[in-house]
Amino acid sequence: DSGVTQTPKHLITATGQRVTLRCSPRSGDLSVYWYQQSLDQGLQFLIQYYNGEERAKGNILERFSAQQFPDLHSELNLSSLELGDSALYFCASSVVDSVSSGNTIYFGEGSWLTVV
Amino acid sequence: AQSVAQPEDQVNVAEGNPLTVKCTYSVSGNPYLFWYVQYPNRGLQFLLKYITGDNLVKGSYGFEAEFNKSQTSFHLKKPSALVSDSALYFCAVREAGGSQGNLIFGKGTKLSVKP
Repeated sequence: DSGVTQTPKHLITATGQRVTLRCSPRSGDLSVYWYQQSLDQGLQFLIQYYNGEERAKGNILERFSAQQFPDLHSELNLSSLELGDSALYFCASSVVDSVSSGNTIYFGEGSWLTVV
Repeated sequence: AQSVAQPEDQVNVAEGNPLTVKCTYSVSGNPYLFWYVQYPNRGLQFLLKYITGDNLVKGSYGFEAEFNKSQTSFHLKKPSALVSDSALYFCAVREAGGSQGNLIFGKGTKLSVKP
């Protein structure tokens, strides 16, 4: 158990709908990362937050947004869902910003999203 | 730009034999290198990392990896494979001192260990 908690574990929704994925980082971790894992794209970095502020952006669609709250939990909002958004969404956390350190990023077990 | 290549989609090994999962990387400066393992329907589990120092890094479950700067490689190894090692293995890189803390992942290598 990495200590990173994600809910829900599984989610099935229809095209055009909006969903929210939730993540609680490991105790003491200030950085939260979101990744998308799909068969054709592999593991893609979406976005990083550090202590409530957006720190880095990857291949995140405009239909997707995220935030990190004062208690450090994070939410990933996916809207106007398309079939191609079906994927495993991972949240990960690390102690610090990781800009110049080699600290480890720990992953949750992911949220499976199926869009039908 | 940072990148990671895992040249083999799948590696097949007999139980008890040594295994190697290959990884090469590309960064502008010095790399921080990581290996993660993903078991079916599970999240990514951290195995080991290279930050600095000894080129041979030891990690969880008997795995080790060797950093080779001249060949820009970070191959994962284990002296004696177990059936339970069968999983998807990901190599990842971050540039030391870079502007972003996220990891760049390879596409993954499926390791299959047969009894």
